[in-house]
Amino acid sequence: NAGVMQNPRHLVRRRGQEARLRCSPMKGHSHVYWYRQLPEEGLKFMVYLQKENIIDESGMPKERFSAEFPKEGPSILRIQQVVRGDSAAYFCASQQGSGNEKLFFGSGTQLSVL
Amino acid sequence: GENVEQHPSTLSVQEGDSAVIKCTYSDSASNYFPWYKQELGKGPQLIIDIRSNVGEKKDQRIAVTLNKTAKHFSLHITETQPEDSAVYFCAARSNNRLAFGKGNQVVVIP
Repeated sequence: NAGVMQNPRHLVRRRGQEARLRCSPMKGHSHVYWYRQLPEEGLKFMVYLQKENIIDESGMPKERFSAEFPKEGPSILRIQQVVRGDSAAYFCASQQGSGNEKLFFGSGTQLSVL
Repeated sequence: GENVEQHPSTLSVQEGDSAVIKCTYSDSASNYFPWYKQELGKGPQLIIDIRSNVGEKKDQRIAVTLNKTAKHFSLHITETQPEDSAVYFCAARSNNRLAFGKGNQVVVIP
C-alpha cells in the first residue's frame, strides 16, 4: 500500500540545465497537485492535474515551467534553464478524486541549483 | 485567492501540557480545512481535517475547531509528547486547491 512516491529525493543542477521531477500518486488516485516550499515558508500551489489534463496551472510561472500527467506513468514537473531562485523543495500530492478532498503528500524533491 | 494566516509562528510547551495553534482564512467559500504535520526532511502528513458543516472534530489527543462566522479554525494537541515536535500547517480549500499557512514550529520540552 505504497504512498505518494517522488524521485529523485535530491537533485543538483547547474544554472541553465533542465530539472525533471517525478511523482507517482497513490494507487487509485487520479489527481495530482504540485507545491513548492521555500525555507520557513508554507507550501505554494503550482499546478493541479488529472490524467492527461491540466486543470489549474495558475500557480506556475509562465516560462520555463511545465507539468504533465500522462495516461501511463508518473506525473512530471519540468523546469527548463534553471536559475538559482528555483532552488526549493517541490512536493507532489495525490487525491483520489474531486469528490474526496484529502491530499496525501510525497516526501518531496529538494532541488539545488549551483 | 484564499489567504491563510497562522499564529503564533513558534510555540514551546512543556511535555504534558496542551498546545493550540490558530489559523484565519479570507475566503468565505472555503469548505474544507486540513492540518498537516511536517517533520524535518519529510513531506507534510495529514493529521486531522474538518469540513465546513462541522464545528469540532476530535481524534485521540488531537482536535480541530472551526468558527465559520469569524473565519478561523484551531488545532488543539493535548498531553503533548516529544514526538509532537514538528512544523504544523493549516490549510483551507477554495477553488479545488489548498492554500496553506506559513506553518507553526511546535517544540515540546521534555
